[in-house]
Amino acid sequence: AQSVTQLDSQVPVFEEAPVELRCNYSSSVSVYLFWYVQYPNQGLQLLLKYLSGSTLVKGINGFEAEFNKSQTSFHLRKPSVHISDTAEYFCAVSDYGGATNKLIFGTGTLLAVQP
Amino acid sequence: DVKVTQSSRYLVKRTGEKVFLECVQDMDHENMFWYRQDPGLGLRLIYFSYDVKMKEKGDIPEGYSVSREKKERFSLILESASTNQTSMYLCASSLGLEDTGELFFGEGSRLTVL
Repeated sequence: AQSVTQLDSQVPVFEEAPVELRCNYSSSVSVYLFWYVQYPNQGLQLLLKYLSGSTLVKGINGFEAEFNKSQTSFHLRKPSVHISDTAEYFCAVSDYGGATNKLIFGTGTLLAVQP
Repeated sequence: DVKVTQSSRYLVKRTGEKVFLECVQDMDHENMFWYRQDPGLGLRLIYFSYDVKMKEKGDIPEGYSVSREKKERFSLILESASTNQTSMYLCASSLGLEDTGELFFGEGSRLTVL
């Protein structure tokens, strides 16, 4: 079965600084990878996804992620964060088992942007 | 846009009560899912359904049941609520067979069991 590791439970950063949120997954086969964002008291919203093709994926709100197959990583980056980026970020990998694909989620990283 | 609607955003129930959490999606998706979210544990899959009247257990099905009588509606049932079921519950849907697994989420239902 697939698994996802987000090593950082919380990442504090100052406004306008760059940030990287780390994600590693366990798989030796082709996978689909996702980053979701959750603002306080809301559901999860898709930030970006890697299905195939270019390993650099661009998403909403200026975020991007790079798929690295050899390191089984899918780290999320933003060159300059805003206060409004404060949220919890979840990495997920698809896992086909039985009737359909399911997503396996990491435990989340809280991005705390300080003025 | 896909819209997934959870009927209750906040609920407070007493131990032993029966609780229904309702979820409706409007994009004709085949698959529907119920997750619970707890701090430090991420999202854990309770049950999912890939067709009407079909259901499969996820990672933590104990204490829960589900119902899918219509394609657009997926209900989560707590037969006898307990305090350790206090949590955020998230409903999601996905396209169906051969999809990528991409999920579309509702706003969540925060349940407190006293």
